[in-house]
Amino acid sequence: GAGVSQSPRYKVAKRGQDVALRCDPISGHVSLFWYQQALGQGPEFLTYFQNEAQLDKSGLPSDRFFAERPEGSVSTLKIQRTQQEDSAVYLCASSLTSSEAFFGQGTRLTVV
Amino acid sequence: AQSVTQLGSHVSVSEGALVLLRCNYSSSVPPYLFWYVQYPNQGLQLLLKYTSAATLVKGINGFEAEFKKSETSFHLTKPSAHMSDAAEYFCAVTPPMGGNKLVFGAGTILRVKS
Repeated sequence: GAGVSQSPRYKVAKRGQDVALRCDPISGHVSLFWYQQALGQGPEFLTYFQNEAQLDKSGLPSDRFFAERPEGSVSTLKIQRTQQEDSAVYLCASSLTSSEAFFGQGTRLTVV
Repeated sequence: AQSVTQLGSHVSVSEGALVLLRCNYSSSVPPYLFWYVQYPNQGLQLLLKYTSAATLVKGINGFEAEFKKSETSFHLTKPSAHMSDAAEYFCAVTPPMGGNKLVFGAGTILRVKS
């Protein structure tokens, strides 16, 4: 595609609800990243895929967070039993090389 | 571990004035460095990047940044601010040749006054 596409753009979840956030990377990009951006802060790394392999998940804040990329293209970030502190913008990025990552517009998650 | 410090969470300049946004990094090896811009409700857009070639890097929209190893700095400048430059700017670092995850600073909101 022309760019990284994320859906939904906005999600309101009740506390305790499970949510799934989708990322469609740029076609052919082998690397895919998820970042969490809390209000007023810079993005923070969550996890990294190279093709379908999850090579780094050191940034996932708890075992309620799970990401997958089963066919090496589309990725889903799942958050189970959402809590208020999970409210943030979740950004997905993809890259072909190590020198430039292209970001999607993000999904704004609000947990009420 | 790498880290990025952006001095000044808010910067205000007049239209036509010089823009200077500061970024200092901490890294055990010379890193790759990036500046991204984020407009409201948008994702991050790459302005420019330093990947160990020329130390003065020119980017889009008239922005440039200079890598100074001795000062561990990568400040962003633009000679003349436009109203359309009002946005939030993020400096980021990543180790070269692998370890692709970006470490971001906290961001600087640029306000341009008419």
